[in-house]
Amino acid sequence: RKEVEQDPGPFNVPEGATVAFNCTYSNSASQSFFWYRQDCRKEPKLLMSVYSSGNEDGRFTAQLNRASQYISLLIRDSKLSDSATYLCVVNGLTGGGNKLTFGTGTQLKVEL
Amino acid sequence: NAGVTQTPKFRVLKTGQSMTLLCAQDMNHEYMYWYRQDPGMGLRLIHYSVGEGTTAKGEVPDGYNVSRLKKQNFLLGLESAAPSQTSVYFCASSPVSLNQPQHFGDGTRLSIL
Repeated sequence: RKEVEQDPGPFNVPEGATVAFNCTYSNSASQSFFWYRQDCRKEPKLLMSVYSSGNEDGRFTAQLNRASQYISLLIRDSKLSDSATYLCVVNGLTGGGNKLTFGTGTQLKVEL
Repeated sequence: NAGVTQTPKFRVLKTGQSMTLLCAQDMNHEYMYWYRQDPGMGLRLIHYSVGEGTTAKGEVPDGYNVSRLKKQNFLLGLESAAPSQTSVYFCASSPVSLNQPQHFGDGTRLSIL
């Protein structure tokens, strides 16, 4: 089983739609969770952290379910500019340092 | 506000050649990392450093060496490049806290012929 698993997509949605991505992780000791956004041929950029109680940033809502070991990202009122690959990232306790494990990403395409 | 800067941006090498990729950060971060990203594979950790003068192996360290002589710089070396090392390489840095995310440079596209 992969440490972090995501549906690769692509998710093709019309502008204005609501779309949700899920991500599962295998290390029950993981402490920190993030969603990153990566545009084509660009570096990953932090979209938002994921907190235990769930958190919202504008049109974006992130949730964590520790019991089932998954995190989710909800995007409301999708914009064309939301088209990108969304990476689920889990910060584990394995090894030394601040090691992140990245999912392979879910591709979102927002269309007119 | 430069953040994390990688040089070069692009490079083409012949098999067997050597080169060094440079990563510099101006955020006074303790931790630095080198990743490679290949289609369908996601980001994979090559080597990382938890402080000046220290380095450690990541998930895919073979064929690479690193050095962290100064806190702000993290160098990735390929001693004898192979076509399997054709990839996009990203450097990242982060503060000490586990709850802080990593900040990425804009990548180096490396092709080995």
